[in-house]
Parts: sequence; structure tokens; C-alpha cells
Amino acid sequence: ILNVEQSPQSLHVQEGDSTNFTCSFPSSNFYALHWYRWETAKSPEALFVMTLNGDEKKKGRISATLNTKEGYSYLYIKGSQPEDSATYLCAFHTTYNFNKFYFGSGTKLNVKP
Amino acid sequence: DGGITQSPKYLFRKEGQNVTLSCEQNLNHDAMYWYRQDPGQGLRLIYYSQIVNDFQKGDIAEGYSVSREKKESFPLTVTSAQKNPTAFYLCASSMRRWGASQPQHFGDGTRLSIL
Repeated sequence: ILNVEQSPQSLHVQEGDSTNFTCSFPSSNFYALHWYRWETAKSPEALFVMTLNGDEKKKGRISATLNTKEGYSYLYIKGSQPEDSATYLCAFHTTYNFNKFYFGSGTKLNVKP
Repeated sequence: DGGITQSPKYLFRKEGQNVTLSCEQNLNHDAMYWYRQDPGQGLRLIYYSQIVNDFQKGDIAEGYSVSREKKESFPLTVTSAQKNPTAFYLCASSMRRWGASQPQHFGDGTRLSIL
């Protein structure tokens, strides 16, 4: 079982603050990294799929970067809003088992109005 | 609307009983997955299937069984051999495109508890 670490476990910010969190994964045999947003009482929703070292993806106020050589990805939220409150999950899979995803335990973000 | 439907939302199991969790998708996805979530932990893979009539064990398959007789359906049976079945179970599906990683689409989950 490959280890995926997310930090911090939880984060409390004020509306308007910018924030970021980290996903760390084994750098060998990397194939792709996914970010998901999981709101309470809903199902996880895909944010980004990242494959190339140096990749940067953006969706509105949310962006992500990828460093496959050192094994980490950052997720940034600019000007957090209460509707950004959710658990953010990362998952990666390797070149030797394309269909097997390894998930981190998530970062729970709470944005106070 | 296309999506994944899991049922029931809540399920209670008595000691020594097998229970089956349903997962149906109408997204025309080839690959389907079952995950288990315990408090403070990430999603752990129980079983996955890339194609009809084929499935592979994930990291925590002991005490579980699956079938994939139809593309749309991937039911999970929690057997009496699973000694600690209380958890939240998520089903997911994705397209299969060689050379391109595809995002997973998830159901709303089933929460299983022991009576």
C-alpha cells in the first residue's frame, strides 16, 4: 500500500483569506494525481487531473501545482468563500497499476463568514 | 441525468449476516470501484473492475465479495467474515482511456452499522 499524506488535516480561515494545502506522494512510478472536493452530504467531485511535472491547473479561485520529482502537489484557494468549505482529497496512481488509486485522508477546510 | 446511485443510504447488519450494497451507474463507464472510509482515514480500495465479468482485489478485500455481470452494476457483499464492517462505503466509476488518467465519479455512499 502506497502512502499519500495530506496536510494540514483541518484548516479554519476567515472569508476572504487565501489558503493552501499539500498532498505528498511517492515520486517513483508516478502516473497522475487527482484532486477532489467533498462537501458534506454530497459525493466527491473531481477538481483536477494532473500528470506532468510542473503542471498548473486553475478553476475559478482554485488552482493546483504538481512536482512529480519531489512528490508533492499544492492546492490554493484565493479569497476563500463559505461555499469553499469542504474536505479536499488527493489521489494518485502509478504506471504499474493504472486503475488503482491511493487516496490521502483529506484536508477539511472551514471558511467562516 | 447521468450519475451513480448507491442504495441503501443506511444499512444495519446483524452478527453473522451477509449484506449487499448496491451501486448502479448510467454514465457508460467501464471501470467501477468500491472504497471504504473509516474516521480519520483516506478512502481505501476494496475491489475494482475494469470490464464486465472481471474484477480485482484492492488493498482490503478480505471479508468482501463483488460481481460485475452488467456494465451498469457493481454490487458489494459484506460477508460475515468481515469482522469490522462498520464504515462508510463509496462506489465510483470512471472511463477507461489508455494513456489518459480519467477522474472518478462517486455515488453518495452507504453507511453500514452493526446492530
